[in-house]
Amino acid sequence: EAQVTQNPRYLITVTGKKLTVTCSQNMNHEYMSWYRQDPGLGLRQIYYSMNVEVTDKGDVPEGYKVSRKEKRNFPLILESPSPNQTSLYFCASSLTSLPYNEQFFGPGTRLTVL
Amino acid sequence: AQSVTQPDIHITVSEGASLELRCNYSYGATPYLFWYVQSPGQGLQLLLKYFSGDTLVQGIKGFEAEFKRSQSSFNLRKPSVHWSDAAEYFCAAGYNKLIFGAGTRLAVHP
Repeated sequence: EAQVTQNPRYLITVTGKKLTVTCSQNMNHEYMSWYRQDPGLGLRQIYYSMNVEVTDKGDVPEGYKVSRKEKRNFPLILESPSPNQTSLYFCASSLTSLPYNEQFFGPGTRLTVL
Repeated sequence: AQSVTQPDIHITVSEGASLELRCNYSYGATPYLFWYVQSPGQGLQLLLKYFSGDTLVQGIKGFEAEFKRSQSSFNLRKPSVHWSDAAEYFCAAGYNKLIFGAGTRLAVHP
């Protein structure tokens, strides 16, 4: 089944404890991105990747890192999480970055930073 | 600045009633336009999209949307709502990068 998977689905952590949210797609998509969803703000893009080893900042990249060593995986790294990073995170992928390629979204990761 | 506005944060309709969710965009030129649905605990699913051509777009699950250039709008409609349509709906617009609206949460009364 074609899908985007994220792990973990739920995470509660404390300020400053490094964490990684994994994202994997099995559709051989070139383009992957991370969003955060906050009430009243919709989805905002954190980082995106056009292809392996090519990543760039989105609208809200502060406090996050990403890497794209393999085409299928695009982990999101929080080196020193803070409470303002408590949010719902979505990974998405599409064949290319062109908008007529549908973006497929993962199920989301709900992160709470205490 | 480019933006997407969904004026209604929360809408409640009765099952079987018609539905219209509003979306307005602000862009230099007409962007590509999308509607997504997010069911509880799920990721976003694409309902429909508009790139050019016919201004009335048909999507999945019986939804349609109408593009009106003069009003910078892309409203989503459904003639008869089902209880399973209860979800959050996001309008999005853009070219290479999508900008999402804040979302409209739809509740359906039996």
